[in-house]
Amino acid sequence: DAGVIQSPRHEVTEMGQEVTLRCKPISGHNSLFWYRQTMMRGLELLIYFNNNVPIDDSGMPEDRFSAKMPNASFSTLKIQPSEPRDSAVYFCASSLETEQYFGPGTRLTVT
Amino acid sequence: GNSVTQMEGPVTLSEEAFLTINCTYTATGYPSLFWYVQYPGEGLQLLLKATKADDKGSNKGFEATYRKETTSFHLEKGSVQVSDSAVYFCALSIGGSQGNLIFGKGTKLSVKP
Repeated sequence: DAGVIQSPRHEVTEMGQEVTLRCKPISGHNSLFWYRQTMMRGLELLIYFNNNVPIDDSGMPEDRFSAKMPNASFSTLKIQPSEPRDSAVYFCASSLETEQYFGPGTRLTVT
Repeated sequence: GNSVTQMEGPVTLSEEAFLTINCTYTATGYPSLFWYVQYPGEGLQLLLKATKADDKGSNKGFEATYRKETTSFHLEKGSVQVSDSAVYFCALSIGGSQGNLIFGKGTKLSVKP
């Protein structure tokens, strides 16, 4: 298996622009997680899905952030409009029952 | 509630030194316990796990034993290498949580030659 795939790997955008991050989980996994990692705040869980249904979005910072999982093999995290404080590495992870498998991350820079 | 507490870093060791990174947890029910490692510029990788009391997880020379009586899961390695330099995260999972993990804040390890 190719593992969790994230795209793009790097994104540089200007404040106010819309940003869409993409994730393809490991085939057969039924849970998907979005995390944000910064030096200041560490690793934060933003939202997770089980069987394509959002279960807990309490970590989503504000209404500018939204996430979707239209099918078992694809998820997006969208930021609209983006702000400099959104600069971070965003990780997607998938799981079948217990341990999570992480993607390589998307490094987002908002200028 | 459920939580994980790790020793704060950074930890700096010389090559071949003994490593211990402390991890304690608070959980309702009977959690599974994990150590993840994050190498520079990469995502987190599962290092080892233990699913019940007294289990010992091991991988790449690292070990951790699930101690229910002390609610601990300390990570140890007898002889660290420069290539072990990374951030180490302790985590727990409660049964039925659909794979949701509670992570500690991470401990950065630097190994000097």
